Amino acid sequence: NAGVTQTPKFQVLKTGQSMTLQCAQDMNHNSMYWYRQDPGMGLRLIYYSASEGTTDKGEVPNGYNVSRLNKREFSLRLESAAPSQTSVYFCASSENLILRGDEQYFGPGTRLTVT
Amino acid sequence: ILNVEQSPQSLHVQEGDSTNFTCSFPSSNFYALHWYRWETAKSPEALFVMTLNGDEKKKGRISATLNTKEGYSYLYIKGSQPEDSATYLCAFISWTNAGKSTFGDGTTLTVKP
Repeated sequence: NAGVTQTPKFQVLKTGQSMTLQCAQDMNHNSMYWYRQDPGMGLRLIYYSASEGTTDKGEVPNGYNVSRLNKREFSLRLESAAPSQTSVYFCASSENLILRGDEQYFGPGTRLTVT
Repeated sequence: ILNVEQSPQSLHVQEGDSTNFTCSFPSSNFYALHWYRWETAKSPEALFVMTLNGDEKKKGRISATLNTKEGYSYLYIKGSQPEDSATYLCAFISWTNAGKSTFGDGTTLTVKP
């Protein structure tokens, strides 16, 4: 039981390049989330997916797109990377949308640098 | 954007000291508050899920209380140990922000042996 896995762990991009961050969970959770974490700041929600087939914007969605490929996988895409997107990205999942009070389980993070 | 504040930002204590820190959140439309523990180079892990005013939760030497009417939660650590060194995050969920948890910036605790 791996929990929440993310790939890659590290990535360096040049401004304007695109990439997709992958996330998968094996806990049969319905809801999945993408956060970014910047120095001195807490986690900020980028996008979330309440259930397979649905996605919604979080606090900081600009410059990102997501795909809930199936119940297990939730990917985050940067179409044209910018230095402001340099951050650590965390994927998380919960049994159901947070409104049920379910805690989130986090992946190990992807450290992204955009030069 | 909901305002969730944690204080202090950082804390340095000696092994054996007891400590506490605060998470403040909007008192209206409360649904739940989560506490997470985040060790360096690891991922955040859930400590407590708190949903009722007056809730008190305990896990070993760590406990938390909740006051939804005045909009705060306290996290207490009794007899701090070096392995308690971590950043402690709170996450607020409101009825009006369905599905979105708003995290505070965290309190970073360092326990010196």
